[in-house]
Amino acid sequence: DAEITQSPRHKITETGRQVTLACHQTWNHNNMFWYRQDLGHGLRLIHYSYGVQDTNKGEVSDGYSVSRSNTEDLPLTLESAASSQTSVYFCASSDPGMDTEAFFGQGTRLTVV
Amino acid sequence: DQQVKQNSPSLSVQEGRISILNCDYTNSMFDYFLWYKKYPAEGPTFLISISSIKDKNEDGRFTVFLNKSAKHLSLHIVPSQPGDSAVYFCAAIDNAGNMLTFGGGTRLMVKP
Repeated sequence: DAEITQSPRHKITETGRQVTLACHQTWNHNNMFWYRQDLGHGLRLIHYSYGVQDTNKGEVSDGYSVSRSNTEDLPLTLESAASSQTSVYFCASSDPGMDTEAFFGQGTRLTVV
Repeated sequence: DQQVKQNSPSLSVQEGRISILNCDYTNSMFDYFLWYKKYPAEGPTFLISISSIKDKNEDGRFTVFLNKSAKHLSLHIVPSQPGDSAVYFCAAIDNAGNMLTFGGGTRLMVKP
């Protein structure tokens, strides 16, 4: 069965360190997204990609970067982790087009201390 | 400024009764709307959707209503079951057709 997986599921890191969260999908979807979930804010878009070599900034992109070298993976990098980036991160993928649903990974809980 | 808003952060309903979750949006370019359900420690999962050319879509116990002139949609769950207890997110896609914009979520608690 096709799936989307995130790793690690939990991560504790120190302020100022670089951290990379992995996202891998086997749906062969062109679209991939990173969201963060915070109390009172719902899911906010960090970065997204519509295909290989394509990346775009979302609503809350400061301090984050992504790269898309193949269809399956969209790693999210925190250049210099800050306590404000403590959150739960979700990766999602979808086919292009309006009437398609996005499939989500199980999330990565990141704590920056 | 939030383009998709869920003004009720929580809702408590008795088992067997109707649950109504509401969602408002401001962007008139939104053309497709979805509801996602999320359990703790899991990713959101798709529940039901509706295109802007329709005003109602039904799937078993779940019905979504869209009032485009009011920029309002609602999710009805009838009858509500304890297993429906979760956080529900409303989401919208604009007519460029790719990116989901989410509301803040409503936590539904269905009491036995």
